[in-house]
Amino acid sequence: GENVEQHPSTLSVQEGDSAVIKCTYSDSASNYFPWYKQELGKGPQLIIDIRSNVGEKKDQRIAVTLNKTAKHFSLHITETQPEDSAVYFCAASIGTGTASKLTFGTGTRLQVTL
Amino acid sequence: GAVVSQHPSRVICKSGTSVKIECRSLDFQATTMFWYRQFPKQSLMLMATSNEGSKATYEQGVEKDKFLINHASLTLSTLTVTSAHPEDSSFYICSAPPVGPSSYNEQFFGPGTRLTVL
Repeated sequence: GENVEQHPSTLSVQEGDSAVIKCTYSDSASNYFPWYKQELGKGPQLIIDIRSNVGEKKDQRIAVTLNKTAKHFSLHITETQPEDSAVYFCAASIGTGTASKLTFGTGTRLQVTL
Repeated sequence: GAVVSQHPSRVICKSGTSVKIECRSLDFQATTMFWYRQFPKQSLMLMATSNEGSKATYEQGVEKDKFLINHASLTLSTLTVTSAHPEDSSFYICSAPPVGPSSYNEQFFGPGTRLTVL
């Protein structure tokens, strides 16, 4: 089955700096790659996603890049703010339709310091 | 839009009792819902896929007789933890991909249910 690896496990940046989180996946058939932000005691919140027919997607301070050849994708957060502090999960899924399962990475705890 | 709710948000029960957790899609229909379990400082682990009008499919290693799933309507799925034991204490989260023309399944997650078994 699909395996998703995520690095780093923890990341500390100063406010205003950029943060980058990287994930690799094993199954070349994966075609959907969402990123989730999870705050303590809450469910994951979808913050951005990318599909296999796109190499890059940006939404304000957040961007995601996908390299299908290397089977890795990355989350980029610019101008970080204290409210960006949370755990971030990448995920990958194969196929189309509502029954496609997500395989999650192990998570990255991001801390933005003042 | 795309809001998923869970009830209760937290529950404490005695060992040996059963606990039911509800997952509702508030503003969309979902023929499929997913149930995850998350232990502290760990990732989400898929337990089972809930299918409206048919049996749930369980991931390897998940006991279907212990974790009963019922998807009674297009907006409601329930997870019942039967004969709960302390090792079942965890954060249970559901998700749902909206039914629609999208060819990829965006999943929207509920806020989670914290289960503590004494």
